[in-house]
Amino acid sequence: GAVVSQHPSWVICKSGTSVKIECRSLDFQATTMFWYRQFPKQSLMLMATSNEGSKATYEQGVEKDKFLINHASLTLSTLTVTSAHPEDSSFYICSADPDRGRNEQFFGPGTRLTVL
Amino acid sequence: DAKTTQPNSMESNEEEPVHLPCNHSTISGTDYIHWYRQLPSQGPEYVIHGLTSNVNNRMASLAIAEDRKSSTLILHRATLRDAAVYYCILPNNDMRFGAGTRLTVKP
Repeated sequence: GAVVSQHPSWVICKSGTSVKIECRSLDFQATTMFWYRQFPKQSLMLMATSNEGSKATYEQGVEKDKFLINHASLTLSTLTVTSAHPEDSSFYICSADPDRGRNEQFFGPGTRLTVL
Repeated sequence: DAKTTQPNSMESNEEEPVHLPCNHSTISGTDYIHWYRQLPSQGPEYVIHGLTSNVNNRMASLAIAEDRKSSTLILHRATLRDAAVYYCILPNNDMRFGAGTRLTVKP
């Protein structure tokens, strides 16, 4: 159990377009999900905490108007990269907490975004 | 900033035990210690977690210092598939990751 999926697994888009990435908890509900970005050879960088039914909490330096997060249900959070530019090319990873009181995190497989 | 510190890299020979240390000197009484590992181009994979007592599971063992300011992930017999970046985090109130330890396993 505790499987998290992401869709798409990879995406290539033109500069200036918007891209939506979905994160789903397949066999559990998650009040809280997290979005990370990872550049090559670097660690995961926390972008924001996504809370079901409320606004996301963004880390310092992350533009909330550029990275739109919607956590509309207990099994789905979406990250939309608006007006993407080449510097937004990265590996985006989400995680979900199954709310079992142990602060467990189950991670999705990641989405590789390439902006041309 | 992450609340844990780990060595940047470690090497091990195949079939030998590996001890991966993590310092978390600012840990609070309610912080769980979690370990994850990440293979290239994949999301992190849960390895093990603990609070105060040492823990064992199919993948690894977790030894937690008595003062809880450090912990050690133990892989009893490293295999080539264990080569990954290992992260320890305290997710109770901080989901930021540190740099982790890149484990290289030599055949």
